[in-house]
Amino acid sequence: QSALTQPASVSGSPGQSITISCTGTSSDVGGYNYVSWYQQHPGKAPKLMIFEVSYRPSGVPDRFSGSKSGNTASLTISGLQAEDEADYYCSSYTGSSTYVVFGGGTKLTVL
Amino acid sequence: QITLKESGPTLVKPTQTLTLTCSFSGFSLSTSGVSVGWIRQPPGKTLEWLALIYWDDDKRYSPSLKSRLTITKDTSKNQVVLTMSNMDPVDTATYYCAHSYSWRPPFTFDPWGQGTLVTVSS
Repeated sequence: QSALTQPASVSGSPGQSITISCTGTSSDVGGYNYVSWYQQHPGKAPKLMIFEVSYRPSGVPDRFSGSKSGNTASLTISGLQAEDEADYYCSSYTGSSTYVVFGGGTKLTVL
Repeated sequence: QITLKESGPTLVKPTQTLTLTCSFSGFSLSTSGVSVGWIRQPPGKTLEWLALIYWDDDKRYSPSLKSRLTITKDTSKNQVVLTMSNMDPVDTATYYCAHSYSWRPPFTFDPWGQGTLVTVSS
């Protein structure tokens, strides 16, 4: 069982918006603004899409956005495109000797 | 452009020690604040952070695997090496190394290497 809880799957049609949640505790997600989101296509390495809850690295489309409320962080993808179909993982700094924890991953299907 | 690439054996036997090398370019591990981490992913499962080394040779390990892990760096060769002892079939996974910028939050990995699949079997 992963430290952070994500839905196993979400789906949406092209052009729609979807949101993926990531629930932790006050020791990780709720305690720090250090939540990241990674996108992973099959057989590929993870790619950083969001860091520090809501910041996008250079080159990541602004269709991707992040937010946090309490112990739950969220990744929203607007204007879904076929290329967005992938697995998405959240992570959070914990500040303890564990340092960083990941979510179980969410498979996004673009219908 | 920062790139990383993992190398090492694809098959190890139970109880053996695994040694993986991360060769990188586009940055120096002697630059203040920079770090390199190792993360693994068993087939079909989620990511698990293993270890991280900072520019100043400070090291961090996953508490659950600390007794089995050693991370070192060779700044002159632009390499980071991870060793994991007493390998078990449950350690079968794709092992990634990844870079972390000094100005980003801790343990924020970008970019990642392509990964190397390690199978533990007799």
